[in-house]
Order: sequence, then structure tokens, then C-alpha cells
Amino acid sequence: SSELTQDPAVSVALGQTVKITCQGDSLINYYASWYQQKPGQAPILIIYSKNSRPSGIPDRFSGSGSGNTASLTITGAQAEDEADYYCNSRDSGVNHVLFGGGTKLTVL
Amino acid sequence: QVTLKESGPALVKPTQTLTLTCTFSGFSLTTTGLRVSWIRQPPGKALEWLARIDWDDDKLYSTSLKTRLTISKDTSKNQVVLIMTNMGPMDTATYYCARMIYDGSGYPYFDYWGQGILVTVSS
Repeated sequence: SSELTQDPAVSVALGQTVKITCQGDSLINYYASWYQQKPGQAPILIIYSKNSRPSGIPDRFSGSGSGNTASLTITGAQAEDEADYYCNSRDSGVNHVLFGGGTKLTVL
Repeated sequence: QVTLKESGPALVKPTQTLTLTCTFSGFSLTTTGLRVSWIRQPPGKALEWLARIDWDDDKLYSTSLKTRLTISKDTSKNQVVLIMTNMGPMDTATYYCARMIYDGSGYPYFDYWGQGILVTVSS
């Protein structure tokens, strides 16, 4: 199917590790990229090409994938990581772009 | 330094046509492999990819919206234009343009985004 599914909301205690997942048939063939979006701001790329980080993105953010699931892991979550996170990949049938529904991360 | 900025009307009436312009700097859309996409986000909802245009003028549209969208570029002005016809209340959203790259393995990502422009459809 041409969809990427994310949990709507996830919470993590300050300093702990959290994994945000993205599921979809297209992820069997293609890795996901990940974006962070804070209220009122444009999304920011944080992970691409499975587990590459743009310059300036802290190394506590990492990406991985297995089967039809991609994951974004934040190791040692900080208060400033509270945001919405979106995954993005490519439709396996056509050359279209897919976005997940987003996960709202709360840092407790 | 790569920047993108969207411009256009903040308010359109139902059935009208929306024209948005993305003006960018720091790269050229004549460079092989570079693309610009339009993405929108209704208030409180998820991102939705709309269309892309490539360095070689190839174009691709969202399947669900392709009959209403036209994307074009003016490389001399470093601009990409999106036209969406027959606007309705469900098209109320923040519209973003973003630079798009496919990595060596064919995975797409958007490395630079504009600030977005909120377009409201209302009579």
C-alpha cells in the first residue's frame, strides 16, 4: 500500500532513549528520511539515507530500518527535542513521495 | 547558503485558482540532480507532497491532485511556480517549497525548506 504509518504520540522521560517508528510496504525497498517540526516552524531534515545526519544535527539522533519498518532513535532525549516527527520515503510502485502521519513527541 | 521563500495570496475564494511562487537562492535548478517540490500541511495535520520539478524540467504530481496542479520553473529568476485550480476549503493549508534530492540509492529527501505560506480558502 502507498502509506506510511506512525504512532500519533510518544513520550519519553528527560535523558532517556526513545524510538519513533514508521511502517509501510515501501520501506521494504526504500529507507526513510526523518524531519523534526516545532510549532509554527517549517520541518527540518534530521536523518536521510537511512542514517546520515545533516550538519548541525546532534548525534543523539539516529536512523535504522528493518523489513517494512524504519525507526528514528533519540538517545538521551532533551527538552528541545519535543516536537512533531515525520518520516518520508518513496512509493514502491511509482516515483511518488510519501509522508507519514507524524508522531508528537513529549519529553517529560 | 541555500534559502527558499514562498509567496502568494493568503486568502483565496472557493473555485479560484491559486498561484504560488517559490524564490530560491544558493543553488541553481540547472544543476543535475536537483529538484524542487511543493508540500502542504493543513492546520494540525500531516505533511502532504504535491509536486516536483527537476533540473531537466521533468515534472511529477501527486496522483490525487494531478488534475488540478501545474508546476513550472524560471531558472533565470530562480523561481518555481505552482498553480492549483478549483480551490476549496479543504485546500486551506500552509504550503511549503523545499529542495529535493535523491541520494545515490534513490531515496528522496528534502534538505532545505521555505518558511511556508498559509493559504486560507474562504468566501
